[in-house]
Amino acid sequence: SQKIEQNSEALNIQEGKTATLTCNYTNYSPAYLQWYRQDPGRGPVFLLLIRENEKEKRKERLKVTFDTTLKQSLFHITASQPADSATYLCAPYNQGGKLIFGQGTELSVKP
Amino acid sequence: DVKVTQSSRYLVKRTGEKVFLECVQDMDHENMFWYRQDPGLGLRLIYFSYDVKMKEKGDIPEGYSVSREKKERFSLILESASTNQTSMYLCASRKQGDGYTFGSGTRLTVV
Repeated sequence: SQKIEQNSEALNIQEGKTATLTCNYTNYSPAYLQWYRQDPGRGPVFLLLIRENEKEKRKERLKVTFDTTLKQSLFHITASQPADSATYLCAPYNQGGKLIFGQGTELSVKP
Repeated sequence: DVKVTQSSRYLVKRTGEKVFLECVQDMDHENMFWYRQDPGLGLRLIYFSYDVKMKEKGDIPEGYSVSREKKERFSLILESASTNQTSMYLCASRKQGDGYTFGSGTRLTVV
C-alpha cells in the first residue's frame, strides 16, 4: 500500500540554523508533491508545490527538493526563526486524484 | 486571499444525532475535500468533490455522507454520530493543480 514517512521525532534547532525535514514515500509515483505548515489547533497552510520534472523549488527562505529515484523530498528552512516552529506536512499527490498527507514533523526553533 | 469557512469551531453532539458540518469557499474553486485529523493517524480523506453534485469516496467514508448542491458549499453529514467520530474535521478547496486552502477546522466531540 502507499506509504509516506516523515520523521516522527520532533526536530529541535537553534535560531539562525538551517532546518531540514525529510519525506519518503513508497509504492507510488506522485506527479507532484506539496508541503504544508500546521500550527496547533489550526488547518494546514500550503507552502510549496514541486512537480516530478523539477529537482528544486525555492520560495524566500524555503527550499524543496524532489528526488523521484530515491522517492524522497527534502524541505529546508534557512536562517530559521522561532516563528517557524510548527508541524510540517508532506503530501504527495497520487494518481487517484487525491492528496495523501504524511503525519508531519514537529519543528521547534529555539532563540 | 481564498477563504474557506467552516461553520463551527467547536461542536458537542450526542451519540445517535445527525450532525451537519458546513464548509463554504469564496473563490470559485472546483474541488472541495473533507478530512479528519486524529493524533497518531494524521489527516485522512473522508470524501471529495470535483464539481457541483459530484462526490467521490475517500479513504474512510463509512458513517459519513456529503452534499454539494452549490459550487461554494460542501457539507459533511454524520448520519448517526458515534463516539469514534470525535475528531478534528478539516475542509479544503483548491483550483485544479494548485495547493489546498484549508478552513480552521471543527473540533467535534460526540458524547
